[in-house]
Amino acid sequence: EAQVTQNPRYLITVTGKKLTVTCSQNMNHEYMSWYRQDPGLGLRQIYYSMNVEVTDKGDVPEGYKVSRKEKRNFPLILESPSPNQTSLYFCASSSTGRDSYNEQFFGPGTRLTVL
Amino acid sequence: KQEVTQIPAALSVPEGENLVLNCSFTDSAIYNLQWFRQDPGKGLTSLLLIQSSQREQTSGRLNASLDKSSGRSTLYIAASQPGDSATYLCAVGYQKVTFGTGTKLQVIP
Repeated sequence: EAQVTQNPRYLITVTGKKLTVTCSQNMNHEYMSWYRQDPGLGLRQIYYSMNVEVTDKGDVPEGYKVSRKEKRNFPLILESPSPNQTSLYFCASSSTGRDSYNEQFFGPGTRLTVL
Repeated sequence: KQEVTQIPAALSVPEGENLVLNCSFTDSAIYNLQWFRQDPGKGLTSLLLIQSSQREQTSGRLNASLDKSSGRSTLYIAASQPGDSATYLCAVGYQKVTFGTGTKLQVIP
């Protein structure tokens, strides 16, 4: 089944404790992206990657890191989480082929709480 | 910077009614526009994607239109059903993607 998977689905942590949220897709997509969703603010893009070893900042990259060492994986790293990073996080992927027009497919989300 | 607005923020309609959801964007130089639905506590499901060169796309009871010159897209839902109750989001962009804040739709049986 074609899908985007995220782990963990739920995470409660404390301020300053480094964490990684994993994202993996099995559709051989070139493009991957991370978003956070907050009430009243909607979905905002954190980082995106057009292909392996190519990453770029979205609208809200502060406090986050990403890496793209393999095509299927795009982990989101919070090196020193703070309470304002409590949010619902989504990973998405898409093909950049001529006929796809970057139609994005989303993972199920990771609900992160930072105490 | 691209800004995307969806009005109204919430909408309640009786079952069977045809309805239109609106999405406005400030920068008309878009690559595509995608409509999603999001059920409570769930991820986003892609409904329709309109390429910048297209005027509309249809899937079942859904029809999405795009008017780049006026910076608007509409999602038309025909013969609404209670199962259509969800939040509907539009998004524009290719590499950098901007989402609207959504319209929460409730279809009353």
